[in-house]
Amino acid sequence: AQSVTQLDSQVPVFEEAPVELRCNYSSSVSVYLFWYVQYPNQGLQLLLKYLSGSTLVKGINGFEAEFNKSQTSFHLRKPSVHISDTAEYFCAVSHINTGNQFYFGTGTSLTVIP
Amino acid sequence: EAQVTQNPRYLITVTGKKLTVTCSQNMNHEYMSWYRQDPGLGLRQIYYSMNVEVTDKGDVPEGYKVSRKEKRNFPLILESPSPNQTSLYFCASSRTSGGFTDTQYFGPGTRLTVL
Repeated sequence: AQSVTQLDSQVPVFEEAPVELRCNYSSSVSVYLFWYVQYPNQGLQLLLKYLSGSTLVKGINGFEAEFNKSQTSFHLRKPSVHISDTAEYFCAVSHINTGNQFYFGTGTSLTVIP
Repeated sequence: EAQVTQNPRYLITVTGKKLTVTCSQNMNHEYMSWYRQDPGLGLRQIYYSMNVEVTDKGDVPEGYKVSRKEKRNFPLILESPSPNQTSLYFCASSRTSGGFTDTQYFGPGTRLTVL
């Protein structure tokens, strides 16, 4: 069975500090990996995705993530956060051989403190 | 403007009263999907559709029905809602390439309360 674990449910961080949001997955097959962001009272939008190629992926708003196959992880990072980054962040995976069913983590609530 | 629309945005109903939540996209996407979001559980996929007349179960399909008669529309039907279906529901759509589903575009959500 597929599972996606986001280890931190809440992450408070001061403005301009770096942040890392952790995501681990369990799968016996190769996967595609996604990070989505949900701002208050809105739907989700894509931050970045890993499909193939370079394991370091850059996304919107200065975020990046690194795919680590041996550790089955896809942690999200930003070197300097802004107040506007306050949101809920979701990691998601789909299987390469099907690519149509998606599994989301439970989410990490990032709060940026002025 | 490219978008996914859902209606209604808010709905309060009673147990057993059939309801339909509509979803429409204007991006000519082949793939559409329904999710429910619950505190502490994240998003869970209910049903998805690869194209017209093609639907598949996600992780939590019990108590829900879907249909895909037109490419742009993917309604979610609760024939006999129960309180445990109180949740925030999202519709999403995506283009597909070689059977692979790429970036999903999400609607604004429908908050459903079943009394």
